[in-house]
Amino acid sequence: NAGVMQNPRHLVRRRGQEARLRCSPMKGHSHVYWYRQLPEEGLKFMVYLQKENIIDESGMPKERFSAEFPKEGPSILRIQQVVRGDSAAYFCASSPNSSGNTIYFGEGSWLTVV
Amino acid sequence: EDQVTQSPEALRLQEGESSSLNCSYTVSGLRGLFWYRQDPGKGPEFLFTLYSAGEEKEKERLKATLTKKESFLHITAPKPEDSATYLCAVHPGKSGSEKLVFGKGTKLTVNP
Repeated sequence: NAGVMQNPRHLVRRRGQEARLRCSPMKGHSHVYWYRQLPEEGLKFMVYLQKENIIDESGMPKERFSAEFPKEGPSILRIQQVVRGDSAAYFCASSPNSSGNTIYFGEGSWLTVV
Repeated sequence: EDQVTQSPEALRLQEGESSSLNCSYTVSGLRGLFWYRQDPGKGPEFLFTLYSAGEEKEKERLKATLTKKESFLHITAPKPEDSATYLCAVHPGKSGSEKLVFGKGTKLTVNP
C-alpha cells in the first residue's frame, strides 16, 4: 500500500452535503482507479482515469458522483448531496500503465453519512 | 457476466494447520488474476498476479495456483499474523476495459 496516498482517511457528512476524496498515485504511476467497498460487499469498480481524461466511468452512479485527475494535483472523487447509502469505504488505486498490470491500493477513505 | 466466487466465506485454523482458499471465476477471457490481503480498516495489499493456467507463485507461507476456471491460495503452517481477509480479483479480457472484478473475500482467522 505504500505510495498511494488518500485523504481524508475518515469523513463524516450530513445528508445533502458534499464529500471530496483525494488520491495521489504512486510515484511514476499515471493511471488511477476508484473502487467502493460497501459493508459485507466486495470491492466494486467505479472509474478509471488518466491525466486529464476519464477513460472508463461505467461503474459510477449516473447522478451526484464525479471524478477528475487534473494535469497537476491529486485525483478527486466528488459526491454531491450525499445520502446514507453513500456510506462506504472508497479506495483509490494506481498503476504505471494499463494492459493487465497490477494495481496498488491506498488505505482508503471511510465516508459516513449521518 | 464476469463473476468471481470465493470460498469459504470464513475459515478458522489453528496455528500450523495448512489449508487452501478457493477462487472460482467466469470471465470473457482472462488478462490476469490477482490475490490481495486486506486487514481491518486498511486497503488491499497486493500478493500475487497470475496470468495463465498452470502458473504458480510463492511468497513465504503462501502459494497461489491458477487453472482455467479457478485459483487456489495455499497457506502452509499459518501463523496468527496471517489472519486477514484474502481477496481474489480478475481482469477480464474485454478490449478497453481496465476494471477488476472482485470476489467478496475469505476471512481467515489463525488461532495461536
